[in-house]
Amino acid sequence: QKEVEQNSGPLSVPEGAIASLNCTYSDRGSQSFFWYRQYSGKSPELIMSIYSNGDKEDGRFTAQLNKASQYVSLLIRDSQPSDSATYLCAVETSGGFKTIFGAGTRLFVKA
Amino acid sequence: GAVVSQHPSRVICKSGTSVKIECRSLDFQATTMFWYRQFPKQSLMLMATSNEGSKATYEQGVEKDKFLINHASLTLSTLTVTSAHPEDSSFYICSAHGGGPNSPLHFGNGTRLTVT
Repeated sequence: QKEVEQNSGPLSVPEGAIASLNCTYSDRGSQSFFWYRQYSGKSPELIMSIYSNGDKEDGRFTAQLNKASQYVSLLIRDSQPSDSATYLCAVETSGGFKTIFGAGTRLFVKA
Repeated sequence: GAVVSQHPSRVICKSGTSVKIECRSLDFQATTMFWYRQFPKQSLMLMATSNEGSKATYEQGVEKDKFLINHASLTLSTLTVTSAHPEDSSFYICSAHGGGPNSPLHFGNGTRLTVT
């Protein structure tokens, strides 16, 4: 079982729609969770971090965490073509310090 | 804040030569830095954890004698790919926690290595 799993996509949504990205993880003791966006040929950039169960909103982005289900999600509202990228779910392992990445979900927002 | 600078951004070398990649934390001190590798259309794979003043910790399957890591100061870690081969061609990215162990990783801009 992979430590961090994501649907590789591609996920295609029309401009203005909500994009929903999902991630599951295997380390039940993990406490820190992150979403990164990566454009082709570039390094990842942080979008959201979440540490507690529930929702966390930042602008058009909402991260959701359910530790009991070992599930993290990212919602992008009012999707824009510039949101087209690969979205990486990252989980810091319990005992600290290593961050493991999922394979990423490719998102395409059609104008 | 939490800026990580990586150099060079792109390097082409001949098979059998060595390449050094530098990673600097510009506005914070990093006792630990992380080196990732990313092949096309794949995710980031952690290669090693670079520890200031001590030996690096390598992930399973990563050859420590091939990928030499030196972390001689609180702001600089280097990765040297020794005796590079075409299969080492990849995107190498360094990172560090900008705000302590549970804070997000901040990434350098990456180094695109091509071995001919």
